[in-house]
Amino acid sequence: NAGVTQTPKFQVLKTGQSMTLQCAQDMNHNSMYWYRQDPGMGLRLIYYSASEGTTDKGEVPNGYNVSRLNKREFSLRLESAAPSQTSVYFCASSIEVGYTEAFFGQGTRLTVV
Amino acid sequence: QQQVKQSPQSLIVQKGGISIINCAYENTAFDYFPWYQQFPGKGPALLIAIRPDVSEKKEGRFTISFNKSAKQFSLHIMDSQPGDSATYFCAACHSIKAAGNKLTFGGGTRVLVKP
Repeated sequence: NAGVTQTPKFQVLKTGQSMTLQCAQDMNHNSMYWYRQDPGMGLRLIYYSASEGTTDKGEVPNGYNVSRLNKREFSLRLESAAPSQTSVYFCASSIEVGYTEAFFGQGTRLTVV
Repeated sequence: QQQVKQSPQSLIVQKGGISIINCAYENTAFDYFPWYQQFPGKGPALLIAIRPDVSEKKEGRFTISFNKSAKQFSLHIMDSQPGDSATYFCAACHSIKAAGNKLTFGGGTRVLVKP
């Protein structure tokens, strides 16, 4: 079982470039999430999708857009990358809301120069 | 404004010792408190979780203590082993469907267990 798969694992962008981070889960989960991890800040929620067809902003949505392509896939797009977006990005999924475990991908380390 | 505050940021413990990590939260609507463990280069993975209707939960060497009135909870790692060396995150969420089960994480604690 692959669980949550993120691509790419590493990426270097120049300021102003755009890119899309891909995420897919094979656990038939309804809810999917994008977090960024920065030293001392823990993980902060960027966007989430409670179910297929819905997306909502999290704590730090500025500079990002998302698409819930289908039940399996949830992508994160940076339209014009900035150095402040240098971070490790994690996609996660859970069965649905409630007392349920969130499963995380292995992360994408993004550097914006 | 961090809704879940975690301390310490790092700690070193000898093999066999006890590691203690503390978290405090502000939002009284939070009703699910998981702890995640993260090894370098990996995503976080659920370690143990507690609901506010109990004051303590134990799974093997890992124990969560919960104090609802103080809005605090802590993780105790008993008989710490070198394999426990990782970063630990406390988290909290409001588990109603409309809230989307969104986890709010603490800042993390890097634990190093010396052999």
